[in-house]
Amino acid sequence: KNQVEQSPQSLIILEGKNCTLQCNYTVSPFSNLRWYKQDTGRGPVSLTIMTFSENTKSNGRYTATLDADTKQSSLHITASQLSDSASYICVVAVRGGGSYIPTFGRGTSLIVHP
Amino acid sequence: DSGVTQTPKHLITATGQRVTLRCSPRSGDLSVYWYQQSLDQGLQFLIQYYNGEERAKGNILERFSAQQFPDLHSELNLSSLELGDSALYFCASSPGGAGSSYNEQFFGPGTRLTVL
Repeated sequence: KNQVEQSPQSLIILEGKNCTLQCNYTVSPFSNLRWYKQDTGRGPVSLTIMTFSENTKSNGRYTATLDADTKQSSLHITASQLSDSASYICVVAVRGGGSYIPTFGRGTSLIVHP
Repeated sequence: DSGVTQTPKHLITATGQRVTLRCSPRSGDLSVYWYQQSLDQGLQFLIQYYNGEERAKGNILERFSAQQFPDLHSELNLSSLELGDSALYFCASSPGGAGSSYNEQFFGPGTRLTVL
């Protein structure tokens, strides 16, 4: 069964600190992997997207890495800010029947304290 | 603001009823996606339409149906509602179709459905 597992489930850090969120997937055949940020009660917003051949992708203070061999991805947040408090969701697109089906992780809930 | 609009924002109804959720994609986007987000299941892909035609199907129940109209807005119909259908329903849009999964999806603000 195609699965996307994220860890940790929740994380609390102090403002200004760095953190790394993990995503492991078993989906196949892999198409691409996205990281989304979702504020409470709002729709997800795309942070990065990576294909099979990409190892690293940055978006400001967010840097995503992908190891397609071990089927692992990470999202590193540098110099965290209070506004980074949100749920971070890993999504892997699977190719099937000529279409691409997204499989979502359950997300990591990040809380940044002043 | 993503440019994707969804109505209504909140919907409260009873079991067994039928509701319709509406989505207007960003100007120029041809693809519309529907997602369900519940506390115990997380986000789940329901269905995708591209330029009026169904393009991909996820975990959509038979009680649920969707369509995309010529003006590209989309509706998600939920019937014979059960308590477990209570969730946030998101619509997203992107420029391309199934062959361009690399395209970024822009999510609407969601419709919160409560089934009593």
